[in-house]
Amino acid sequence: EPEVTQTPSHQVTQMGQEVILRCVPISNHLYFYWYRQILGQKVEFLVSFYNNEISEKSEIFDDQFSVERPDGSNFTLKIRSTKLEDSAMYFCASSENPEKPYEQYFGPGTRLTVT
Amino acid sequence: GQNIDQPTEMTATEGAIVQINCTYQTSGFNGLFWYQQHAGEAPTFLSYNVLDGLEEKGRFSSFLSRSKGYSYLLLKELQMKDSASYLCAVPPNDYKLSFGAGTTVTVRA
Repeated sequence: EPEVTQTPSHQVTQMGQEVILRCVPISNHLYFYWYRQILGQKVEFLVSFYNNEISEKSEIFDDQFSVERPDGSNFTLKIRSTKLEDSAMYFCASSENPEKPYEQYFGPGTRLTVT
Repeated sequence: GQNIDQPTEMTATEGAIVQINCTYQTSGFNGLFWYQQHAGEAPTFLSYNVLDGLEEKGRFSSFLSRSKGYSYLLLKELQMKDSASYLCAVPPNDYKLSFGAGTTVTVRA
């Protein structure tokens, strides 16, 4: 069964450094998303991406964050100048088509630890 | 904005039935989702209700009442592997899911 994949599974970085989290969505999916989950808290929407541009972003997704689809398969989240409070699980998700944007399939996540 | 409420924790015995309630207030309604999340893992899709009534899928059923802003997830014949968090989610628009804080279900032998 097709699945969303994410790399790395765990990333440790120092405060102030830049990180790139990578995702490969399901191949025929058109909508892509990033969510994050701080330990013990709820899953929070960061950004959605469709047709090579951001569809919507939350107030969390400030200038520190950016997304890119550098080729036909990868979808990346870049966090510049990381802060301690960026430590969280970051989930990528994708959904199939404009008629079913809601059935989002989540990747296994990248656990980001900022020290 | 969105406001989604669900109980924090529930405990039940293996083989029993548990009902997880979710109430929501949202500016736009495009259906309601239930996801399962095991500790340290990604949420996995369980069900989607857009019309009032009960949707049954094996041991899991989900109910929606749009007029009451209410849904529940019913887990029958509980198994130890059902121990997880269950997330109620409402998509206010096409582009995102707004999740509740989740209900942690513990199944005891």
